[in-house]
Amino acid sequence: AQSVTQPDIHITVSEGASLELRCNYSYGATPYLFWYVQSPGQGLQLLLKYFSGDTLVQGIKGFEAEFKRSQSSFNLRKPSVHWSDAAEYFCAVGIGIYNQFYFGTGTSLTVIP
Amino acid sequence: EAQVTQNPRYLITVTGKKLTVTCSQNMNHEYMSWYRQDPGLGLRQIYYSMNVEVTDKGDVPEGYKVSRKEKRNFPLILESPSPNQTSLYFCASSLSGSAVQETQYFGPGTRLLVL
Repeated sequence: AQSVTQPDIHITVSEGASLELRCNYSYGATPYLFWYVQSPGQGLQLLLKYFSGDTLVQGIKGFEAEFKRSQSSFNLRKPSVHWSDAAEYFCAVGIGIYNQFYFGTGTSLTVIP
Repeated sequence: EAQVTQNPRYLITVTGKKLTVTCSQNMNHEYMSWYRQDPGLGLRQIYYSMNVEVTDKGDVPEGYKVSRKEKRNFPLILESPSPNQTSLYFCASSLSGSAVQETQYFGPGTRLLVL
C-alpha cells in the first residue's frame, strides 16, 4: 500500500535559521510529489510539486525541495525561516493511475524570535 | 475571486441525523475531492470525482456518500453520522481530471462534531 511518512511531528527553529522537513514515501514507481502548507484555521496551500526532470524544485515563499529516488525522499528546505512560516506542513503523493492522493501526518513548525 | 467554498463551516449534530456538507468551486475545475483531517493521521481522501457523474472511493469512504450532478458542486453526505466521523473536512478541486499532476485548491474546512 502507498504511504507517506513525515517522521517529525513538531519542529522548533529560531527565526533566521535554516529548515529541513523530512518526507519519505512508499510507492513502486515515481509518484507525483507535493508539499502543502496549512496556516492555523486555514485550508491547505501548495508550496511546490515534483513530477519529473530536475530533482531540485523551487516553490513559493522561498521554499525548495529535493527528490531523491534512492532514498524515496522529498525533503522540504528553506535557508532562512521567517516568523510567518509557522504552520503545519504536509507532504503528499499523487498516484496517477488512480487519481488518488495520500498525505503524510504533517509536521508542525514553531518559529521562535 | 477564484475559490472553493464549504458550508457550513462548523456543525454539531447527533448520531444518526443525516447531514450534508456542501462544496462549490467557481473555477470550472474538473476534479473535486473530499478529505478528512484527524490529529496524528493527516489528511485522508474520502471520495473524489474526475468529472460530472463520475465519482470514486478514496482511502476512507465508509459512512459517506457523494454526488456530482453539476461541475461546480460536490456535496458530502453523511446518511447516519457516528461519533467516529467527528473530524475536520476539506473539499478540494483541481483543473483537469488528471489531478495528480495539478495543484489542488482547498476550501476553508468544515469542523464537524457528532455527539
